[in-house]
Amino acid sequence: DTAVSQTPKYLVTQMGNDKSIKCEQNLGHDTMYWYKQDSKKFLKIMFSYNNKELIINETVPNRFSPKSPDKAHLNLHINSLELGDSAVYFCASSQRTRTWNTEAFFGQGTRLTVV
Amino acid sequence: AQSVTQLGSHVSVSEGALVLLRCNYSSSVPPYLFWYVQYPNQGLQLLLKYTSAATLVKGINGFEAEFKKSETSFHLTKPSAHMSDAAEYFCAVSRGDFGNEKLTFGTGTRLTIIP
Repeated sequence: DTAVSQTPKYLVTQMGNDKSIKCEQNLGHDTMYWYKQDSKKFLKIMFSYNNKELIINETVPNRFSPKSPDKAHLNLHINSLELGDSAVYFCASSQRTRTWNTEAFFGQGTRLTVV
Repeated sequence: AQSVTQLGSHVSVSEGALVLLRCNYSSSVPPYLFWYVQYPNQGLQLLLKYTSAATLVKGINGFEAEFKKSETSFHLTKPSAHMSDAAEYFCAVSRGDFGNEKLTFGTGTRLTIIP
């Protein structure tokens, strides 16, 4: 059983299109994240949700809209795709604890290529 | 603000030799520190974490790291490199407080093992 699963794994699309990436975790965690990894492998947080509530939004363009229908799912919708959106997008989850000493579990990533 | 600096974007070692990957952190509060490994075209997997308990942390696959507050360092070591260790390694830091559950990553170190 995959703990954090993302679909699709690869996504090739044209500029201007709208696309979605889905993420599901079966770990029973209450916090989920989207991270972006650029072409130089740099990883940066985009969003985090706790129990369906947005808690972190790291100055991401509003073309990116996350949605969490329940605490096991966090989807990412991207409008009007641009060339610079090409990257690998990782979903992750963790369990909020009093001291947050628990690690985040990552999905396999979605490689988005905008042409 | 928190940050990590990984010295050396590429490290090459011979099979059987010592692996040393460097990570220095900056944090205004006691940090939680993590090392993740990323194999080609895969997600991130936790190697080990420091959460203010023992300063010498043992992880999976024979890796360990030592938290040194005086040096603000959390270097990753393995006594004897194996071909399967070839991957990208990321150091990450977190504040650990509610509402700020995110990982701030370093720029990564690509480890190459020479047969």
